[in-house]
Amino acid sequence: AQSVSQHNHHVILSEAASLELGCNYSYGGTVNLFWYVQYPGQHLQLLLKYFSGDPLVKGIKGFEAEFIKSKFSFNLRKPSVQWSDTAEYFCAVNAPVRDYKLSFGAGTTVTVRA
Amino acid sequence: DAEITQSPRHKITETGRQVTLACHQTWNHNNMFWYRQDLGHGLRLIHYSYGVQDTNKGEVSDGYSVSRSNTEDLPLTLESAASSQTSVYFCASSEYTGGDEQYFGPGTRLTVT
Repeated sequence: AQSVSQHNHHVILSEAASLELGCNYSYGGTVNLFWYVQYPGQHLQLLLKYFSGDPLVKGIKGFEAEFIKSKFSFNLRKPSVQWSDTAEYFCAVNAPVRDYKLSFGAGTTVTVRA
Repeated sequence: DAEITQSPRHKITETGRQVTLACHQTWNHNNMFWYRQDLGHGLRLIHYSYGVQDTNKGEVSDGYSVSRSNTEDLPLTLESAASSQTSVYFCASSEYTGGDEQYFGPGTRLTVT
C-alpha cells in the first residue's frame, strides 16, 4: 500500500526563519503530489500541487516545493515565515493505479513565534 | 461563490446511536469524499463517490455508510456509533477524477460518549 511520511511532527520557528518540511512517499509509479494547509479552526486548503513538468512548484503565500523523483520526495519550503504561517501542513499523494484516491501524511504542526 | 458545507459542525452522541453527517457542495462536482482526521494519522479516507448512485469504500469504512442520490449531497451515516469514531470528519469534492485538487468543507467534530 502506498504511504506518505512526513518527517516532523511539530516544528517551532521564529518569524523570518526559513522553513522546510519533508515528505516522502513509497509508491514508485506516476504520482500527483499536493501540500495542503489547515489554519487553526479552518478547513484544509491547497498550498500547491505537482502533476508534471518543472519539479520546482510555486504555490500561494510564498511557499514552494521540489519534487525529486529519485528520492520519492516532495519537500515544502518557505524562505521567511510569518506568524500567520502557524498551521498544520499535510502532504498528500495520489496515483492513477490507486484510482486517484488521496493518501495523506500524518501532518506537521508549524508554530511560528513572533 | 461555490462552496462545500457540512452540518452539524459539532455533535455529541451516545454509543450505539445512529448518526448522519451532512455534506453539501455547490461546485457541481462529480466526485465527493469523506475523511476522518485523527492525531498522528492525518486524514484517512472513509468512503467516496464518483457520481450519482456510485459509492466506494475507503481505507477505514467499517461502521460507516454513504449514499449518493444527487450531485450535491453525500451524507455519511454511522450505523451504531462507537467511541472509536470520535473524530473530526471532513467532506471534500473534486471536479475531475484524474488526480484533481480536492476542495474541503469546514469539518464536523463528533464526540461519541
